[in-house]
Amino acid sequence: DQQVKQNSPSLSVQEGRISILNCDYTNSMFDYFLWYKKYPAEGPTFLISISSIKDKNEDGRFTVFLNKSAKHLSLHIVPSQPGDSAVYFCAASVNSGGSNYKLTFGKGTLLTVNP
Amino acid sequence: DSGVTQTPKHLITATGQRVTLRCSPRSGDLSVYWYQQSLDQGLQFLIHYYNGEERAKGNILERFSAQQFPDLHSELNLSSLELGDSALYFCASSVAPGSGQYFGPGTRLLVL
Repeated sequence: DQQVKQNSPSLSVQEGRISILNCDYTNSMFDYFLWYKKYPAEGPTFLISISSIKDKNEDGRFTVFLNKSAKHLSLHIVPSQPGDSAVYFCAASVNSGGSNYKLTFGKGTLLTVNP
Repeated sequence: DSGVTQTPKHLITATGQRVTLRCSPRSGDLSVYWYQQSLDQGLQFLIHYYNGEERAKGNILERFSAQQFPDLHSELNLSSLELGDSALYFCASSVAPGSGQYFGPGTRLLVL
């Protein structure tokens, strides 16, 4: 049972354009969402997060949107740069209290930004 | 550099053997998480320790165990290894609930 789904295994965009990465979830108990970027042979790098009490969070070129009613979130990268080419993972967690924040990951989307 | 260190970087061993993977969290982080990334399963949560205590278990096999020591480093022990245990094993740490988890570079385990 995949609770976090990234339905697009890959995405290709031109440099300077917007990249939109999508993620859907099924567990309505999730209350914290994160995006990670991963290069080959490296660990995932934390990019940006959003709490379920918000619907948008922005950090530089990266913006995450959360639509709780649709159980959908997206990551917007504007403008896209060739260095953004990587696998992007969506992750979610449940605040069950007691500092337990295990992450449930999607399977990732490979973003390629073409010069 | 996330500040999380993992050793060894690569490990090749045979079926039936036992290995220990080590993780040092970022300075000040009390939580350590272990994840397994295999080709077909993506990143799967294994276990979470907070300040030396086990807090949550995920899809962790009984052949696997972990602990977190007083200096907050953690070890993941994998025993009776099978071919299917070949994967990347990541450790992550976080300072507090609600903050992002920071991942180490991973240990690539190959069981032959």
